[in-house]
Amino acid sequence: DTGVSQDPRHKITKRGQNVTFRCDPISEHNRLYWYRQTLGQGPEFLTYFQNEAQLEKSRLLSDRFSAERPKGSFSTLEIQRTEQGDSAMYLCASSLTQGLNSPLHFGNGTRLTVT
Amino acid sequence: KQEVTQIPAALSVPEGENLVLNCSFTDSAIYNLQWFRQDPGKGLTSLLLIQSSQREQTSGRLNASLDKSSGRSTLYIAASQPGDSATYLCAALISSGSARQLTFGSGTQLTVLP
Repeated sequence: DTGVSQDPRHKITKRGQNVTFRCDPISEHNRLYWYRQTLGQGPEFLTYFQNEAQLEKSRLLSDRFSAERPKGSFSTLEIQRTEQGDSAMYLCASSLTQGLNSPLHFGNGTRLTVT
Repeated sequence: KQEVTQIPAALSVPEGENLVLNCSFTDSAIYNLQWFRQDPGKGLTSLLLIQSSQREQTSGRLNASLDKSSGRSTLYIAASQPGDSATYLCAALISSGSARQLTFGSGTQLTVLP
């Protein structure tokens, strides 16, 4: 399967701990996005990369959050000093650089539970 | 700020019925409007993408329309099947500046009863 892959699928952590998620996009896709989704809501944009450059960051991305895409391939999203409000599904998506009309391909997400 | 609303939040129909899901957006300066399907505990699957210059897109039993002037889009599902049960989300891509972020609605949870 050559879809977007996210790891882990589930993560349970205690408040105050750091967590890191990984996303492997579709191999030829050079755009990569992170979204967060809480129960009963649509996804909310967090950040966007084109190749290794982080081009946009949402105000939702507090200084406890950091995302990287060091070689323009996989990406990591780290949350430091987790809070209960960070509990959500974290979704990664990728797309081709063909203007703005390339559909996004989403992974199955990482569900974070902060206890 | 773009806001996207989907009504109803949930819909239950008997198998075989045709149905329409509604999506409205507040800022008509959109680049495109996308419809996604989400199964429980899974990511989103892209169904249809309508560019701002287009009025509709079709894929199989699905037809999506776009009316930018009224800020509305609809997703029409013909001859619904139990396998169509899922949450359907619409998302608008704004066209101002360098934004690459989609604004999503909260979705319509569809149940098709056998």
